[in-house]
Amino acid sequence: SQQGEEDPQALSIQEGENATMNCSYKTSINNLQWYRQNSGRGLVHLILIRSNEREKHSGRLRVTLDTSKKSSSLLITASRAADTASYFCATDAWTSGSRLTFGEGTQLTVNP
Amino acid sequence: DAGVIQSPRHEVTEMGQEVTLRCKPISGHNSLFWYRQTMMRGLELLIYFNNNVPIDDSGMPEDRFSAKMPNASFSTLKIQPSEPRDSAVYFCASSFGTGGFSFGSGTRLTVV
Repeated sequence: SQQGEEDPQALSIQEGENATMNCSYKTSINNLQWYRQNSGRGLVHLILIRSNEREKHSGRLRVTLDTSKKSSSLLITASRAADTASYFCATDAWTSGSRLTFGEGTQLTVNP
Repeated sequence: DAGVIQSPRHEVTEMGQEVTLRCKPISGHNSLFWYRQTMMRGLELLIYFNNNVPIDDSGMPEDRFSAKMPNASFSTLKIQPSEPRDSAVYFCASSFGTGGFSFGSGTRLTVV
């Protein structure tokens, strides 16, 4: 079963708007990571947040982590058409060694 | 750094044939992962290696699948005999420690 579950499954916004995607997971984690996948391409690592961190920023990306609720959110500010992609959260659980378990992803469409 | 290199990019084969997928991880990374991505099941971990040693192959679908990592710079995933249900995109990823994963561009396998 998938460790991470993204919400919503699909999101369509206008360029310049902010996009928020959420991820929930089930077991205790070492860290949580967000990845982007453009159509027909491999996954690209965006940001990693460790279990003892609550918020992290990278450019237009802001990630929060709430371990008490076992949830994370990815905020993309001032979205661009080039941000159109699928976004996945992935968890590195204490019990699973160093492997990642991926959610089903959120398909983000940014309309110009 | 050229990133994780996978070959071939596309493979079309007939049912019953042997298929070999290849991966060159990023130099210095000590973990290597094989994932399979389909619309129905999303991203599934098949097997991962740590320091060239297979750690967890519980995701390998069945005995038709095998993976090797003879040295730190090369890994193969073999399917013999292949079946139509094996059609998917197969990704190789590498990482160092508990950092983010670097994914290859994937091999799109079609078994007819």
